[in-house]
Amino acid sequence: DQQVKQNSPSLSVQEGRISILNCDYTNSMFDYFLWYKKYPAEGPTFLISISSIKDKNEDGRFTVFLNKSAKHLSLHIVPSQPGDSAVYFCAARGGADGLTFGKGTHLIIQP
Amino acid sequence: DGGITQSPKYLFRKEGQNVTLSCEQNLNHDAMYWYRQDPGQGLRLIYYSQIVNDFQKGDIAEGYSVSREKKESFPLTVTSAQKNPTAFYLCASSIDAEYYGYTFGSGTRLTVV
Repeated sequence: DQQVKQNSPSLSVQEGRISILNCDYTNSMFDYFLWYKKYPAEGPTFLISISSIKDKNEDGRFTVFLNKSAKHLSLHIVPSQPGDSAVYFCAARGGADGLTFGKGTHLIIQP
Repeated sequence: DGGITQSPKYLFRKEGQNVTLSCEQNLNHDAMYWYRQDPGQGLRLIYYSQIVNDFQKGDIAEGYSVSREKKESFPLTVTSAQKNPTAFYLCASSIDAEYYGYTFGSGTRLTVV
């Protein structure tokens, strides 16, 4: 049973517009959430995170929103740039065996 | 420069052979992890180690083995018992098991021929 779900395998956004990537989770014990960005044939790199005691965290063009009651978080990228084209993984922390990852969303920024 | 080094980047194996993937880190991190990435599957945890000489099975440990004899090294052996070994393998580390951020290596693409 998937505890972290990214229901959109891919998302296409025009350059300059806002990209919104969504993530749902089922485990209420998760207390920390992270977003990773991954280019082909490379390892993921950390992007932004949020603790469960917050509902928003912002870092430059990237903002993560957390809605605990809905068990939902989203990553907003504004404005979207060509270099943002990558696979984005949502991850959650709540146990001793490390992070649980979603399946990823492939973001495509179109010129 | 501190980081995680995975080698080789590409690896080909004949069916029935064991193969070992290398993962070395110079970040002085206690915890290390192995993930497998398949198309449409995201990252799935194979094994993890919170401290030297200790490791635990992840979600898909069958057909794999690991060792953690040194803090810096966490090699993964893909045995002949692994039914579908062709995949992209990622090694990661974190300061300790309680720290939330991971540093990932650049991955090894294993192909069974």
